[in-house]
Amino acid sequence: NAGVTQTPKFQVLKTGQSMTLQCAQDMNHEYMSWYRQDPGMGLRLIHYSVGAGITDQGEVPNGYNVSRSTTEDFPLRLLSAAPSQTSVYFCATVSYQNTEAFFGQGTRLTVV
Amino acid sequence: QQQVKQSPQSLIVQKGGISIINCAYENTAFDYFPWYQQFPGKGPALLIAIRPDVSEKKEGRFTISFNKSAKQFSLHIMDSQPGDSATYFCAPYGARTAGNKLTFGGGTRVLVKP
Repeated sequence: NAGVTQTPKFQVLKTGQSMTLQCAQDMNHEYMSWYRQDPGMGLRLIHYSVGAGITDQGEVPNGYNVSRSTTEDFPLRLLSAAPSQTSVYFCATVSYQNTEAFFGQGTRLTVV
Repeated sequence: QQQVKQSPQSLIVQKGGISIINCAYENTAFDYFPWYQQFPGKGPALLIAIRPDVSEKKEGRFTISFNKSAKQFSLHIMDSQPGDSATYFCAPYGARTAGNKLTFGGGTRVLVKP
């Protein structure tokens, strides 16, 4: 029972490159979300999903795309990376039954 | 109505002292009031949570106090230890609200000096 798995753990991109951050959960949770955390700052919501086929924007969605084709997976896509997207990214899931959020270990992304 | 305000941004406390962190919210549909703890290099993890039907919950050295009328809840860390040095986040949530977002307070960095 892995919980929430994020890959990769570290990534360096050049400006303009694209990539996908993977998030997989085996907890059968309906709600999944992506956050970015910058030094000295809190967790800012990028996108979230309340179930397969349903996604919505958070407070900082620009430059990111998501999709939710299955309950288990919620990938985050950077179409054209910018230095401002240098951050640590966390994926989280929540069960509507008990409402505790479970986080992945994070992906540290550097855009040069 | 998703605004969540957390204070202070940081605090330093001596070993054995009391740390107090506050969280104010706007959305009256919230029905779950957790505090998360995050250590450097790790994702946040649930520390303690309360439902609105009680005003206080204690788990070891950690206590949540909840004031529904003021739309505030706080975390008290008694007998603070160096191992409590971490960043703490509140994240009030309303699971029954359709499409509700899970948003976090700005975080409080706690440093416990030995």
